[in-house]
Amino acid sequence: GENVEQHPSTLSVQEGDSAVIKCTYSDSASNYFPWYKQELGKRPQLIIDIRSNVGEKKDQRIAVTLNKTAKHFSLHITETQPEDSAVYFCAASRGNAGNMLTFGGGTRLMVKP
Amino acid sequence: NAGVTQTPKFQVLKTGQSMTLQCAQDMNHEYMSWYRQDPGMGLRLIHYSVGAGITDQGEVPNGYNVSRSTTEDFPLRLLSAAPSQTSVYFCASRTGTLSTYEQYFGPGTRLTVT
Repeated sequence: GENVEQHPSTLSVQEGDSAVIKCTYSDSASNYFPWYKQELGKRPQLIIDIRSNVGEKKDQRIAVTLNKTAKHFSLHITETQPEDSAVYFCAASRGNAGNMLTFGGGTRLMVKP
Repeated sequence: NAGVTQTPKFQVLKTGQSMTLQCAQDMNHEYMSWYRQDPGMGLRLIHYSVGAGITDQGEVPNGYNVSRSTTEDFPLRLLSAAPSQTSVYFCASRTGTLSTYEQYFGPGTRLTVT
């Protein structure tokens, strides 16, 4: 089955700096890579996703890049703000084969004002 | 639309008790799933369904049963609760079309087994 590894497990940045979180996956058939933000006690919220036919996607301060050959993808947050502080999860799935998301272990991002 | 709803929000069980976690969605989504999230970890897939009458096992199915008699509902049954099943349980759904793979998560059920 799929295995997703995520690094780092914790990340502390100064407000205004950039943050980068990296994930690797093992199943070459995976074609859908979402990123979720989870605040304490809340459900995961999708912040951006990318399909395998695209190498990069951007939405305002958030971007995701995908390298299919190396089987890794990354989340980039620019101009970080204190409200970006949360736990971020990457995930991978065969999007056209049901609902089977495999999650990474999470990154706790702390943005210091 | 209410989206994905889950009941109860909190539950405490004694070892050996059984219970059903409820999940419903009003978006006419074909795909539904159950995940568990242990403290400090990512979500792990328990069971999933690609349509009414069709279910399959995920990564951690032992100790849980599911059924999908309608498109809207996907209950998760704990057969004989164990302390290892203390976790937060999330239900999720998505459309079966290929236009989007986005999953919608319910608010979660926090389960403690003593």
